[in-house]
Formats: sequence, structure tokens, C-alpha cells
Amino acid sequence: DSGVTQTPKHLITATGQRVTLRCSPRSGDLSVYWYQQSLDQGLQFLIQYYNGEERAKGNILERFSAQQFPDLHSELNLSSLELGDSALYFCASSVEGTPWKTQYFGPGTRLLVL
Amino acid sequence: AQSVTQLDSQVPVFEEAPVELRCNYSSSVSVYLFWYVQYPNQGLQLLLKYLSGSTLVKGINGFEAEFNKSQTSFHLRKPSVHISDTAEYFCAVSGAQGAQKLVFGQGTRLTINP
Repeated sequence: DSGVTQTPKHLITATGQRVTLRCSPRSGDLSVYWYQQSLDQGLQFLIQYYNGEERAKGNILERFSAQQFPDLHSELNLSSLELGDSALYFCASSVEGTPWKTQYFGPGTRLLVL
Repeated sequence: AQSVTQLDSQVPVFEEAPVELRCNYSSSVSVYLFWYVQYPNQGLQLLLKYLSGSTLVKGINGFEAEFNKSQTSFHLRKPSVHISDTAEYFCAVSGAQGAQKLVFGQGTRLTINP
């Protein structure tokens, strides 16, 4: 158990819908990262937050947005969902946002868009 | 920008045999290198990381990796594998400056046969 929690574990929805994925980082970690894992794209970095502020952006679509709240939990919002958004979404956290610190991954949320 | 190539998508080996999982990276700046393991239906767990210093890095579960700057490689090795090592292994790279944006390889599925 990494100490990072993600809810829900599974999500099934329809095209065009909007969903919210939630992540609680390890106690004491200030930085949260979101990743998407799909069969065709592999594991891709989406976005990073540090202490409530966006720190870095990766291959995140405009239909997707995220935020980190004062209690440090984070939410990833996916809207106007398409079939291709079906994937495993991971959240990770680290103490700081620096490149040498270990990222601890949650168990993921499996999203299926029908 | 950085990129990672994992040269083998699948590696089958017999139990107690040695194994090497190959990883090559590309970057125009200094990097940090990581190996993560993903067991079935779980999140990613850090096996080991190279930040600086000795090029031979030892990690958990008996794994080690060697950083070779001239060949831009970071191959993962284990002298004797167990059934429990069956998993997907990901090599990742991060620039040594700025935010930590992990770039992952496509993964290598390690299958241990009795």
C-alpha cells in the first residue's frame, strides 16, 4: 500500500458525459501528479500540482482539467468523454515537486467509456 | 525533451534464471532514471532510481540497474528470478532540472515460467 488513495476504482460512463476522479496523496506529500495509461499510448504524464498550484503540464487534453484543494487532495475532471478516453488513470504523490524525489502511485481508476 | 525505449515488449524466463530488461533513453539535458514495477491490477511501485554517483544502483527485491551514459542505457538485471517477479516493468526518465515530468517507456512484460 503506497498510501495514495484513488476513488472510484472503476467508472463506466457514456460518450459525451463528464466524470471526476479523486486522489488523496500520502500524508505529508505536497505534490500530486496525474497519469493516463492506455493500450495505444502507454503511460503518459498529464499534469502536476504542488501545494495547490499547477507546476507542470504534459499531454493533457483541453477537455480535461484538474485542481488541488487546500487539504491537498486533487481531482481530475474529464468532460465530453470519447471512446478513446477509456484508460487507467493514476495519481501519484511526492513530498516535493523536485525531480529526484520518489513518486508514490495510487492503485488507479479504470475508466470505461461506452 | 526526453524519450525512453524499452527494447523488449515481452521477456519469458524460467524460474531461478537471470534476467535483463533493456532500456535506452534520449535526452539533451542531464537526467534521472527510474525503474517501476506494476503487478497485475495494481499501481506502480519504484524499484530503483539513478540520480548521480555510482553507476550501479541496487533496488528492492534483488534488482539492480547500471547507468551507462555513453550508451544512454539503464538496463535492469536480476541474477535469479522468482514466480513472484511476474509483472510489467517500466523504465522512466526525468529531466534533472525543473518539475518532475516522468516519461515512461512502453513497458516490458516479464513472465516467469516454473
